[in-house]
Amino acid sequence: NAGVTQTPKFQVLKTGQSMTLQCAQDMNHEYMSWYRQDPGMGLRLIHYSVGAGITDQGEVPNGYNVSRSTTEDFPLRLLSAAPSQTSVYFCASSRLAGGNTDTQYFGPGTRLTVL
Amino acid sequence: AQKITQTQPGMFVQEKEAVTLDCTYDTSDPSYGLFWYKQPSSGEMIFLIYQGSYDQQNATEGRYSLNFQKARKSANLVISASQLGDSAMYFCAMRANFGNEKLTFGTGTRLTIIP
Repeated sequence: NAGVTQTPKFQVLKTGQSMTLQCAQDMNHEYMSWYRQDPGMGLRLIHYSVGAGITDQGEVPNGYNVSRSTTEDFPLRLLSAAPSQTSVYFCASSRLAGGNTDTQYFGPGTRLTVL
Repeated sequence: AQKITQTQPGMFVQEKEAVTLDCTYDTSDPSYGLFWYKQPSSGEMIFLIYQGSYDQQNATEGRYSLNFQKARKSANLVISASQLGDSAMYFCAMRANFGNEKLTFGTGTRLTIIP
């Protein structure tokens, strides 16, 4: 049981390049999400999904695209990287709460630098 | 909209002493969940403890307890008998229940345990 995995762990991009951050979970969780963590600002929600084929925007969605073709995978795409997207990115998953106490399980994070 | 406030950017505590990390929240949702996560220097997000808004008793998990005061909208984390391994960033987070999985995070408190 690997939990939530993210690749790559580190990435350096040049301004304008595109790339995809990969996220996968093996817990059959319906809910998956992407956060970015910047110094002094905590974690902020970028996009989330409540199931295959369903995605929605979070607090800071601009510059990012997502899709959810399977329950397991939830990739995050940067179409044209900008220095403002330099951050640590976390993927998380959980069951749909419906009032229960399930926490979100986080991946190890991807540290992205845009030059 | 939900908001989490952590007013202590950093704290220094002597080893073996108890420590309280402050968290206040604001929400109009009648039902919600409050979480605490630990982020050591290695970067991963580790779930510590959960408190539901309708829970009658304060949550406890080993050395961690959550001092939940609903009327004051506070959810402070108490760590008893602190250890050197407790040195980390600590984040308070909130989620509305009943199908809304989005977590709102505070800006965190950096705890340093002094030997």
